Amino acid sequence: AQSVTQLGSHVSVSEGALVLLRCNYSSSVPPYLFWYVQYPNQGLQLLLKYTSAATLVKGINGFEAEFKKSETSFHLTKPSAHMSDAAEYFCAVSYSGGSNYKLTFGKGTLLTVNP
Amino acid sequence: DTEVTQTPKHLVMGMTNKKSLKCEQHMGHRAMYWYKQKAKKPPELMFVYSYEKLSINESVPSRFSPECPNSSLLNLHLHALQPEDSALYLCASSQDQGRPIYFGPGTRLTVT
Repeated sequence: AQSVTQLGSHVSVSEGALVLLRCNYSSSVPPYLFWYVQYPNQGLQLLLKYTSAATLVKGINGFEAEFKKSETSFHLTKPSAHMSDAAEYFCAVSYSGGSNYKLTFGKGTLLTVNP
Repeated sequence: DTEVTQTPKHLVMGMTNKKSLKCEQHMGHRAMYWYKQKAKKPPELMFVYSYEKLSINESVPSRFSPECPNSSLLNLHLHALQPEDSALYLCASSQDQGRPIYFGPGTRLTVT
């Protein structure tokens, strides 16, 4: 069975500081991994995806994530936080086996950015 | 273009009402989804349509009835809902399994 664990339900950083949001996955087969962002009262927006190509994935808004199979991790980073990055971030996993379209989400991490 | 549109944006309905949520995508995606999201929680999968056929029903109560009239449209018919069904209902689509799922802006549903 696949699962996703996001460490830290709330992360607070200062504007201009490094953003690091942690995600660990559990999957018995090669996973597809995604990061989504949700701003208040909006839907989820895809930030980036890992689909077994390059292990360092660049996304929108300056975010990137690195797939580390040995650590079963897919942490999200941004070198310098901006006030507009304040939102809820979800890590999600699906896998390539069978006809399963299911996307398993982590519980989410709320990012606040302090001026 | 990665846009999924949903109408209405907000809906308030009584427990005896019948209403429908609508979703549309023009990306040629073959899979469409309904998710339910409660406050401060991740989205929960309700239904998946693959090539216009219902492929996954996550044991959703029958007061929620999905419909896929064609490859671009997805509806969710609502009847006799309960106050605990109040939530953000998200429609989504994807090209295929394992591909990114693109979400619409959601319908904020309040059941009174």
